[in-house]
Amino acid sequence: GESVGLHLPTLSVQEGDNSIINCAYSNSASDYFIWYKQESGKGPQFIIDIRSNMDKRQGQRVTVLLNKTVKHLSLQIAATQPGDSAVYFCADTEISSGSARQLTFGSGTQLTVLP
Amino acid sequence: DAGITQSPRHKVTETGTPVTLRCHQTENHRYMYWYRQDPGHGLRLIHYSYGVKDTDKGEVSDGYSVSRSKTEDFLLTLESATSSQTSVYFCAIRFETSRDTQYFGPGTRLTVL
Repeated sequence: GESVGLHLPTLSVQEGDNSIINCAYSNSASDYFIWYKQESGKGPQFIIDIRSNMDKRQGQRVTVLLNKTVKHLSLQIAATQPGDSAVYFCADTEISSGSARQLTFGSGTQLTVLP
Repeated sequence: DAGITQSPRHKVTETGTPVTLRCHQTENHRYMYWYRQDPGHGLRLIHYSYGVKDTDKGEVSDGYSVSRSKTEDFLLTLESATSSQTSVYFCAIRFETSRDTQYFGPGTRLTVL
């Protein structure tokens, strides 16, 4: 996951624009990556995942890109809507974490959609 | 929400008192996890379970214990709560398919005064 910081990085976008949220991970052995969305007062919600044998995966209005060379993950949200305002964070895991498949989480990015 | 409920949703307690948080799932998942979430730290794993009576420690297990006497319930206990345990606690489950995604409950906000 991301480096830990005291304050969340923030991203403000105009409604209708595309959003790109970035995540750097540190474990070169990570083989599975997930993006979560967390709205205020709620639990994290799964958005999309990607395995290390892929470099791109698309969902509904979202695309995840994986660059293993520089250990970087990004989440692209097309035509951002007010309901997309939330904290987004990435998580990763590696096969050596055993059957429990423990996840390592980044601290997140606060996305604000401006009207 | 993957059929996960957490109780209580909010709790205020005093330092030194015992506290038990409950995670309940209705879909018979084998793997269950307890996390805490604090500003600037992301989600950190406290304990996890891989079956009834099978549990193991996570990254921040000191001061916490867990029990799983039946598949559907995973309990997190703070034997003697401290102010540093003020946090939001999330339970998660993982499906036993090829996917490793964890799905989270709604959380419990705990304040230790």
